[in-house]
Parts: sequence; C-alpha cells; structure tokens
Amino acid sequence: TQLLEQSPQFLSIQEGENLTVYCNSSSVFSSLQWYRQEPGEGPVLLVTVVTGGEVKKLKRLTFQFGDARKDSSLHITAAQPGDTGLYLCAGSPPDSWGKFQFGAGTQVVVTP
Amino acid sequence: SAVISQKPSRDICQRGTSLTIQCQVDSQVTMMFWYRQQPGQSLTLIATANQGSEATYESGFVIDKFPISRPNLTFSTLTVSNMSPEDSSIYLCSAKGAGYTFGSGTRLTVV
Repeated sequence: TQLLEQSPQFLSIQEGENLTVYCNSSSVFSSLQWYRQEPGEGPVLLVTVVTGGEVKKLKRLTFQFGDARKDSSLHITAAQPGDTGLYLCAGSPPDSWGKFQFGAGTQVVVTP
Repeated sequence: SAVISQKPSRDICQRGTSLTIQCQVDSQVTMMFWYRQQPGQSLTLIATANQGSEATYESGFVIDKFPISRPNLTFSTLTVSNMSPEDSSIYLCSAKGAGYTFGSGTRLTVV
C-alpha cells in the first residue's frame, strides 16, 4: 500500500493570508488529484496533475507535482472564508488506472 | 463532469439489518467506485463496481458484507449487510467519466 501523508492536519488562518498544504509519499504516482470537501458533501475535484514538475493554477490556487511524482503541494494566495474546507490529495499508483488512494486530509479554516 | 445522485442521504438503522445505497449517474461512465469515510477523516476505497461482472474488492472488504451491483453504465448499488455500530460511517460513490465526480454521500448510523 502506498501511503500519502498530508501536512498539516489542521490550519487556521486569517482572511488575506497565504497557506500551503503538502502531500508526500515514498512511492511514485502516475497522477495526483486535489479535492475540497465541505461538510455534508462529497469531495469536489480541483485539479489533476500527471507530469513531474507540473504546475497548475486555478485562480488563487497553485498546484505543483514534484519532479519525482512522489509529492505535491497546494498553495492558496490571499485566502478567503470560502476556501474553508477539507483538502484531500489522492494518488493513482502505476498500473491501477482509475483507482486512487487518499491522504488523511488537511482541514483549512479561514476566518474573516 | 458527470453528476451523481446518491440516496439515501442519511439513515439510522438497527444492528443486524441491511441498507442498500444507490447511485445514479446522469451519463455513462467507464468506472464507478465505492468509498467509506469516517467523519472528518479521509476516504477508504471499498471496491470498484464493474459493469456486468463481480465487483473488485480492496483488502479488508468482502462481498458478503458489502455486496455491490452495477447493472449498467449509469447505476450502482452498495449494500451494507448485517450491520453493527462499527459500520457507522459516510459512504460515497464515485464515477470516472470525463473527470472524477463524487456523490454527496450517505451518512449511516447503526444503533
């Protein structure tokens, strides 16, 4: 089993501050996804990264896939209360097309 | 991305009984999955629902406890059988079409 470790587990910041969430593994993934989940809802896919070193931007969110495809980061610039949620990374091991393993999640709280 | 309707959204069940959860997708999808999520925690894959054949279960999950059906490319069910309080959790289905989509989940409490 390839484990995905997310850090920090919990993050509380003020509106306007920046934050970074990390997702690390000792194993290689063919692709990695980031989700945001709000209470009572299923996870919503934010991005999929597949190439080592890839950087994707989604408005104030920047996602990076490590060169070795073992780790990833999510950076939020000028966080807003609407960014509050549980952020989950999920990696797809090689030869397991379509199946993803999830990290434990980072609970982000942005206060006005 | 596909839209998934999952029901029931929540239920409280007596131990020893069974509950069937349904997921309907608004378009044909290649793959469907079932996950379990403890409140505030991450997702654990239960099985891959295969259209027209038996589901593929992950380690720690068995067909007798979690029978799954997938009669076509838009619908799947998960049954939680002979429930105990340890089965209390959130159950989610997911589909892979053009992208990955999750249902809104079923919050199950076993008393």
